[in-house]
Amino acid sequence: DAKTTQPPSMDCAEGRAANLPCNHSTISGNEYVYWYRQIHSQGPQYIIHGLKNNETNEMASLIITEDRKSSTLILPHATLRDTAVYYCIVRVEGDYKLSFGAGTTVTVRA
Amino acid sequence: GAVVSQHPSWVICKSGTSVKIECRSLDFQATTMFWYRQFPKQSLMLMATSNEGSKATYEQGVEKDKFLINHASLTLSTLTVTSAHPEDSSFYICSARTSGEIGQFFGPGTRLTVL
Repeated sequence: DAKTTQPPSMDCAEGRAANLPCNHSTISGNEYVYWYRQIHSQGPQYIIHGLKNNETNEMASLIITEDRKSSTLILPHATLRDTAVYYCIVRVEGDYKLSFGAGTTVTVRA
Repeated sequence: GAVVSQHPSWVICKSGTSVKIECRSLDFQATTMFWYRQFPKQSLMLMATSNEGSKATYEQGVEKDKFLINHASLTLSTLTVTSAHPEDSSFYICSARTSGEIGQFFGPGTRLTVL
C-alpha cells in the first residue's frame, strides 16, 4: 500500500524554481517525510527531510502543510543536472527501512 | 558526508555462475546495511537487511539461498547471487545505516547482466 502519492512526471525550465508535490494523507505523528533523488544509473541521493517544520538546506527547501498531509520539495534554481527521479518517502522514527514508490521524473529543460 | 562504495560497478556473467557484489562504508561504521534491486524503469525494491555479525533478514519473496548476504565487518557487506540466470539481471544498490536522522546513505549501484 502506497504511503505517498506523487505525480509521475514534470518538466521545468532551467533557472526556475521546481516545486514537487507529495501527498501523504495517512502519515502518522512519528513519521518523517524524506526526499531522495536518483539520477539515471546511480544510487539514490539524500536531499532533505522534515517532521512538521519547514526545512531548508543547500540543495532544497521542504514545505510541510500544517496538517502534515502533504508536502512540497522546492529546488530554488533548477539546473540540467537536477534531472532525476525524485522520491518522497515517509519513515517512522527509528525504523530505517525505506519504501520507494514510483517517484516523480523531473526533466529540466534549457 | 558519509560515503558508500560498491564493487564492481558493473559485471557480466554467464548463466549458472555466481557473482559477488561488495558494499563498503568508507568513512563510517555501519551495523546495518540494506540491499535493493531495481529493474529497468521500475523503482527500488528492498531485498534484505544485513546486520553485522548476524543473519540477514530477507523481504518476502526474496530467496535467501539464492541471494547470500554476509556482513562480516562494520564496513563491509557482500551480496552473492548464486547460480545467476538472465532474470537476475538488474541494478543492485546497497545502503549503509548511519547514526542521526538522515538514516542511510546509498552506494552507486552495480549493474549485473547475466547472459
